[in-house]
Amino acid sequence: QQQVKQSPQSLIVQKGGIPIINCAYENTAFDYFPWYQQFPGKGPALLIAIRPDVSEKKEGRFTISFNKSAKQFSLHIMDSQPGDSATYFCAASGAGSYQLTFGKGTKLSVIP
Amino acid sequence: EPEVTQTPSHQVTQMGQEVILRCVPISNHLYFYWYRQILGQKVEFLVSFYNNEISEKSEIFDDQFSVERPDGSNFTLKIRSTKLEDSAMYFCASSSLGGRTEQFFGPGTRLTVL
Repeated sequence: QQQVKQSPQSLIVQKGGIPIINCAYENTAFDYFPWYQQFPGKGPALLIAIRPDVSEKKEGRFTISFNKSAKQFSLHIMDSQPGDSATYFCAASGAGSYQLTFGKGTKLSVIP
Repeated sequence: EPEVTQTPSHQVTQMGQEVILRCVPISNHLYFYWYRQILGQKVEFLVSFYNNEISEKSEIFDDQFSVERPDGSNFTLKIRSTKLEDSAMYFCASSSLGGRTEQFFGPGTRLTVL
């Protein structure tokens, strides 16, 4: 019930491509869905977050799509750059809870 | 830009020894967290702390673990008697509000238990 399932485990795209990372959850009490970006040797950093009252949110080249009925959400990175090469984690949190439940992460490599 | 800092960056210890991992959260934040990431696995929640007490903890956070805010700036995680399976990266995080707000993560402490 508390799990967040993330796929793919790794992803390689050419510069300018649009990598898509998918996450699915089971707990209907989740109502906050952030994406974190992690570079080697650093802690996770918040990239973008969405709440279930909207189906899409864009910030710069990053877009979250949210499907409440399917309990799925995804991250799209437009015009990907080599500097986007990092590990991306989806996460979820529920009302009244302080904890973030993370997916297993996706290692993205953007090749020039 | 304010950031969460953690010390040490790498700690090596013998099984059965006590370790204390230290964190300095962002100064005006009120909520503090510890997470861990075993190599190759996902980031897992351990505990949250607010108003000088634990507000939530996971099943991982058993009696071997404790947290403390000994002064106005530090936040510590103590593992009383380390086990091999405690080897992981430990992340401290803080947030200005609880619940559905951004948690800012530190760079982590890599704990190796031999």
